[in-house]
Amino acid sequence: GEDVEQSLFLSVREGDSSVINCTYTDSSSTYLYWYKQEPGAGLQLLTYIFSNMDMKQDQRLTVLLNKKDKHLSLRIADTQTGDSAIYFCAETGETSYDKVIFGPGTSLSVIP
Amino acid sequence: GAGVSQSPSNKVTEKGKDVELRCDPISGHTALYWYRQSLGQGLEFLIYFQGNSAPDKSGLPSDRFSAERTGGSVSTLTIQRTQQEDSAVYLCASSLDRGVKYFGPGTRLTVT
Repeated sequence: GEDVEQSLFLSVREGDSSVINCTYTDSSSTYLYWYKQEPGAGLQLLTYIFSNMDMKQDQRLTVLLNKKDKHLSLRIADTQTGDSAIYFCAETGETSYDKVIFGPGTSLSVIP
Repeated sequence: GAGVSQSPSNKVTEKGKDVELRCDPISGHTALYWYRQSLGQGLEFLIYFQGNSAPDKSGLPSDRFSAERTGGSVSTLTIQRTQQEDSAVYLCASSLDRGVKYFGPGTRLTVT
């Protein structure tokens, strides 16, 4: 079945860039998402990218998609303490369009 | 416009009692999903509604769990005879057909 993998932890210094990586197995993925979850809060849709795109930029966020390698990354420029959260990579594919397949989440810690 | 809303935000119940969790999707969204996030676990798909089609119940963990969606809008997830392992955050999401999935803030269920 479909699978999404992420590293579980990332620690960066305030002001540096953070790069969170994700790999997935479903070659028919249509949407790829990044969700942010702050402590005690629900899932916030951070950004998403269509599978026919290579890159999407939105203010401090840059999403890169390498469809050949099934690799997705999220770069946060000028990381702030408020960016500390768990970041979930997720995908919806042609074979699983009715479900969002989530990765385990990457816990980002920003050191002041 | 308003996002996905869920109620209650927190629910504490005694083992063996029944609970009902409510989800109000974004107006006009035809698809509605329930997920569960247990402590230290990833997101677990429970059930999916799409328009007037029969729901995909493949993720429901036991027959104590059921869900309905009335009038193609509001959904209720019911857990009968709750067990301690049912304690989790229950997340609802909605989307327009196969589009981007937006999540609600979740209901934190604690079974004592």
